[in-house]
Amino acid sequence: RKEVEQDPGPFNVPEGATVAFNCTYSNSASQSFFWYRQDCRKEPKLLMSVYSSGNEDGRFTAQLNRASQYISLLIRDSKLSDSATYLCVVTVGSSNTGKLIFGQGTTLQVKP
Amino acid sequence: EPEVTQTPSHQVTQMGQEVILRCVPISNHLYFYWYRQILGQKVEFLVSFYNNEISEKSEIFDDQFSVERPDGSNFTLKIRSTKLEDSAMYFCASSEAGYTFGSGTRLTVV
Repeated sequence: RKEVEQDPGPFNVPEGATVAFNCTYSNSASQSFFWYRQDCRKEPKLLMSVYSSGNEDGRFTAQLNRASQYISLLIRDSKLSDSATYLCVVTVGSSNTGKLIFGQGTTLQVKP
Repeated sequence: EPEVTQTPSHQVTQMGQEVILRCVPISNHLYFYWYRQILGQKVEFLVSFYNNEISEKSEIFDDQFSVERPDGSNFTLKIRSTKLEDSAMYFCASSEAGYTFGSGTRLTVV
């Protein structure tokens, strides 16, 4: 079983749409959870951390279900600039310094 | 905003040659990492480095690979006797209160 599993997509949505990505992780000892964004052939960039209580950052909402080992990301009012690959990432050690375990990524294409 | 700097941005090398990928982490960070991403695949952890020694390494990081912090600013990844399957993007990162990735070195082995 993959450590972090995501639907690779692609998700093709029109501007303004709401889109949701899901992710599951296999290690119940995972401690910290993140969504990263990666543009083509660029480095991963932190989009947001994910907390058990759920958290929101503007148009982005992240949820964590530890019991189901499931993480989600909701993007509202999609913009053309949201087109990218979204990476689900977990750590087993320290949230700030432990190694990151990446999912394959889910590709989003927002069309005019 | 502080950056992690990687050089070169693109390196082409012949199979069997040695390459050194260079990174300058953020100056007050103490934890350093190398990750790689083969085209079309996920980002994979290679090695972490703290207090001048390897703190963790993956199965990928075999005897072909080594890391070094030769001075107070650089952090290098050496790949000996490169193979075609070493072709990938190699990302350096540093961390103190959160990760910062460099923009990567694209290594092409021909």
